[in-house]
Amino acid sequence: AQKITQTQPGMFVQEKEAVTLDCTYDTSDQSYGLFWYKQPSSGEMIFLIYQGSYDEQNATEGRYSLNFQKARKSANLVISASQLGDSAMYFCAMRERSPFNKFYFGSGTKLNVKP
Amino acid sequence: GAVVSQHPSWVICKSGTSVKIECRSLDFQATTMFWYRQFPKQSLMLMATSNEGSKATYEQGVEKDKFLINHASLTLSTLTVTSAHPEDSSFYICSARRASGRGLPFTDTQYFGPGTRLTVL
Repeated sequence: AQKITQTQPGMFVQEKEAVTLDCTYDTSDQSYGLFWYKQPSSGEMIFLIYQGSYDEQNATEGRYSLNFQKARKSANLVISASQLGDSAMYFCAMRERSPFNKFYFGSGTKLNVKP
Repeated sequence: GAVVSQHPSWVICKSGTSVKIECRSLDFQATTMFWYRQFPKQSLMLMATSNEGSKATYEQGVEKDKFLINHASLTLSTLTVTSAHPEDSSFYICSARRASGRGLPFTDTQYFGPGTRLTVL
């Protein structure tokens, strides 16, 4: 079974609007971490935000927030006030407690911000 | 955020030659580094986990003798593609695991290098 599922291969959003990128995960661990990365066309993977399974509050980092719904096993990324520079691939990832703390990536969502 | 460098950023080589790619964590020590391969418009595929001072752990289907990994220090890991062939052409990305300080390994963040684009002719 897939550990991380991103069901939106591509998304469009108007500049200055908010957008939500979906991510669901599958784990039987009680302890795990969820991460979002941005990959622009240059190829570099840029860390955006982290949410721990025991964190009670949703993580926020500037214009990025993570809508964490543990019971539904979803960790959606919300980007507020989209900018043209937000156009990129976005990957959701998870690290479980075991085994070996492996890092699992989703298939990614290509976000296009329209002027 | 943490900085991870990767060198070279791109390389073109002839079939049958070997290519070495370096991954360095510049402002933190990384006991664990990871090597990924990414095909166009696809997600990252983990190739191996590199632990400082010990042998790398390879994912299923990745040839150990073809992709040699060395993690000689807490800031440097190298990937050598031996006897490269055109099918090895890809984007190779390394990452370094930075301890969060919480004492919980699953909370550690991975910081990625800028990637190396390998083209084998």
